[in-house]
Amino acid sequence: NAGVTQTPKFRILKIGQSMTLQCAQDMNHNYMYWYRQDPGMGLKLIYYSVGAGITDKGEVPNGYNVSRSTTEDFPLRLELAAPSQTSVYFCASRNREGTYEQYFGPGTRLTVT
Amino acid sequence: GENVEQHPSTLSVQEGDSAVIKCTYSDSASNYFPWYKQELGKRPQLIIDIRSNVGEKKDQRIAVTLNKTAKHFSLHITETQPEDSAVYFCAASLTNFGNEKLTFGTGTRLTIIP
Repeated sequence: NAGVTQTPKFRILKIGQSMTLQCAQDMNHNYMYWYRQDPGMGLKLIYYSVGAGITDKGEVPNGYNVSRSTTEDFPLRLELAAPSQTSVYFCASRNREGTYEQYFGPGTRLTVT
Repeated sequence: GENVEQHPSTLSVQEGDSAVIKCTYSDSASNYFPWYKQELGKRPQLIIDIRSNVGEKKDQRIAVTLNKTAKHFSLHITETQPEDSAVYFCAASLTNFGNEKLTFGTGTRLTIIP
């Protein structure tokens, strides 16, 4: 199993540009999450999904959109990038049953200038 | 919503000594409390977690205690080793079907002095 994968690893955007951060998992997990981690800070939940076709806002959803058309994929869309969105973005997933452990992807480092 | 506070923000201990990191949470309905370890430039990884129906849990050199009345929980690492150096995050959530929001603390940078 590859676990949770994210692309790209790094990206530099200009203010006002848009992009999609990709996240995929091959563990057949129902739940998937997007977090951002600002320097020296904890992780803040952006959006989450409890299954295909179902998404909900987290703590800091403004400026982002998500979709969940399949169990495996959970892309995060940034529209009109702003410097405040400079951060490291982590995707995570967990199974509905059993432990509550969230498995994280390797992260995407995004800089908006 | 839930608010999680974590202390201290930095902690240095001699190799072989114990380290304790403390967190408090605000929502008495929270029922799941994980601890994640994040090495520099890496992804967070779960090291131990506890549910609200348990007061203490141990896994080798790591233990977590939970005081539901006071709404605080702590991570204890005994016999610390250089590889324990990392940033540790506590978190809290209400794990209710359809409601999944982990709230993280701001992290503790633990440095083990050889």
